[in-house]
Amino acid sequence: DIQMTQSPSTLSASVGDRVTITCRASQSVSSWLAWFQQRPGKAPKLLIHKASSLESGVPSRFSGSGSGTEFTLTISSLQPDDFATYYCQQYNSYSWTFGQGTKVEIK
Amino acid sequence: QVTLKESGPVLVKPTETLTLTCTVSGSSLSNARMGVGWIRQPPGKALEWLAHISPDDEKSYSTSLKSRLTISKDTSKSQVVLTMTNMDPVDTATFYCARGPPGYGGYDSWGQGTLVTVSS
Repeated sequence: DIQMTQSPSTLSASVGDRVTITCRASQSVSSWLAWFQQRPGKAPKLLIHKASSLESGVPSRFSGSGSGTEFTLTISSLQPDDFATYYCQQYNSYSWTFGQGTKVEIK
Repeated sequence: QVTLKESGPVLVKPTETLTLTCTVSGSSLSNARMGVGWIRQPPGKALEWLAHISPDDEKSYSTSLKSRLTISKDTSKSQVVLTMTNMDPVDTATFYCARGPPGYGGYDSWGQGTLVTVSS
């Protein structure tokens, strides 16, 4: 099975900061990588699919990049709504795996 | 706009079989975009993918849980059913169903989730 490793596990940042979260796959997943945001008590929300395609309605301050085994999610200017937990998720040959999550906290 | 809603027991006993239903509205399960997956999340922990059924009825399962899981669908009822056998307290979690369009890679619409507690 493909394992997904996110770093950091927790990130403390201030409003307006540029934030980057990294996700590494144990083997190549090409561009089959998605990013989700989850607020407490809520279902995850898809932000980005196929590594860099922004979902409709998601603010442009969110961006994704990477391919193969290394991917990043960047928030260009952190807003109060963005304090949440973020998960990466790979898709490969009818199998999906999530990373362990990155919690973005208020500094 | 597609919506998904999970239903099932809130409490099951150890060794029992859990049956969860995902009811889909706004789209037919035969629609080419209607792949549906099940994902769970223990309290305070990460998301874990469990199973997926494609529009053409291809089924796939988490390797670690494959022996305990069965996914199926009833297109006429717009329902996807997940069964998990031999439940244990460590299986206590919020269970989500979500739409995963083929060739999309991500789950783009999610149900609200249903919390299942395993306890005697």
